[in-house]
Amino acid sequence: EAQVTQNPRYLITVTGKKLTVTCSQNMNHEYMSWYRQDPGLGLRQIYYSMNVEVTDKGDVPEGYKVSRKEKRNFPLILESPSPNQTSLYFCASSPLGGVVTEAFFGQGTRLTVV
Amino acid sequence: KNQVEQSPQSLIILEGKNCTLQCNYTVSPFSNLRWYKQDTGRGPVSLTIMTFSENTKSNGRYTATLDADTKQSSLHITASQLSDSASYICVVSLLYNQGGKLIFGQGTELSVKP
Repeated sequence: EAQVTQNPRYLITVTGKKLTVTCSQNMNHEYMSWYRQDPGLGLRQIYYSMNVEVTDKGDVPEGYKVSRKEKRNFPLILESPSPNQTSLYFCASSPLGGVVTEAFFGQGTRLTVV
Repeated sequence: KNQVEQSPQSLIILEGKNCTLQCNYTVSPFSNLRWYKQDTGRGPVSLTIMTFSENTKSNGRYTATLDADTKQSSLHITASQLSDSASYICVVSLLYNQGGKLIFGQGTELSVKP
């Protein structure tokens, strides 16, 4: 089954403790991205990657890092989490090329930083 | 500034009734417009995707329209069901040479009551 898998689904952590949220897709998609969703603000892009070893900042990259060492994986790293990073996070992937490409979203990771 | 505005913010309807959700956008360069359904705590799932040249597209009881001249789109839901209760998000995609970035609206929260 074609899917984007995020782990963990829920995470509670303390300020300053490094954490990684994993994202994996099995569709051989080139494009992967991370979003955060906050009430009243919609989804905002954090980082994106158009291929292996190619990453770029989205609209709200501060406090986050990513890496793309393999095509299928795109982990989101919070080196020193703060309470304002409490949010619902989504990973998405899509193929590149063509006029219209479908984006597939993971199930989400609800992060709470206390 | 690229923006997507949706109305209403929330809507309550009775099961079996029809409803229409609105989306206005100021996004350039425009590639395509998508409507997503997002169940509470889950990732968005695509309903329809329309390019510049398409002015209507259906997916079962969901029908989306696009007026590229006025930069407006609507999503019409026919014979609503309880399972239609969700957030509906309008998303506009930039052209591939702009990274294919997705610009999200804030969503319309639809509640279908028995």
